[in-house]
Amino acid sequence: DVKVTQSSRYLVKRTGEKVFLECVQDMDHENMFWYRQDPGLGLRLIYFSYDVKMKEKGDIPEGYSVSREKKERFSLILESASTNQTSMYLCASGSEQGSGTEAFFGQGTRLTVV
Amino acid sequence: AQSVTQLGSHVSVSEGALVLLRCNYSSSVPPYLFWYVQYPNQGLQLLLKYTSAATLVKGINGFEAEFKKSETSFHLTKPSAHMSDAAEYFCAVRLTGGFKTIFGAGTRLFVKA
Repeated sequence: DVKVTQSSRYLVKRTGEKVFLECVQDMDHENMFWYRQDPGLGLRLIYFSYDVKMKEKGDIPEGYSVSREKKERFSLILESASTNQTSMYLCASGSEQGSGTEAFFGQGTRLTVV
Repeated sequence: AQSVTQLGSHVSVSEGALVLLRCNYSSSVPPYLFWYVQYPNQGLQLLLKYTSAATLVKGINGFEAEFKKSETSFHLTKPSAHMSDAAEYFCAVRLTGGFKTIFGAGTRLFVKA
């Protein structure tokens, strides 16, 4: 089974802190994604990466950055956490190989910024 | 631009009744279409997907969906709801050859005993 593992299920951070969310996948997928999920808004794409050291902005990249130094690992960084970044964060990975392959999701990290 | 609209943020059915969750998409070319399910405090799990083969797609847990190009719809159905189906359901679209998957706002399904 494909496994996407996020380093934390729950995090509480203070305003202004630098926050790292880590994600690791074990299926050798070239594509990895970070989404945030808020009630009534569905999933919104923050950043994605289609190869090591490559990244593309999604729909809501402001206040975030990412790092992909190894194929299996994709990190989301909140440079200076703010209360409006309190949310559920979901990491996903996927491949372009085959027909219409889906994204595989981690369990999510519920981040609270106080 | 692609978009996904799920009609109804909440749907409530009785156990044993038909489940119908509606999804409409906009896309200039036939896309890949997906339904995902999310149980509380968990990530998303794939229910089924349409990849331009059969228009009626069967998925896990007795769910199925029909791709209707003329209506730009991909509604999710299950003949008989079970209490364990209570969850949030997301419809999603991805262009062929594209990286990004666009998600709908989600529909929370409640199942009454």
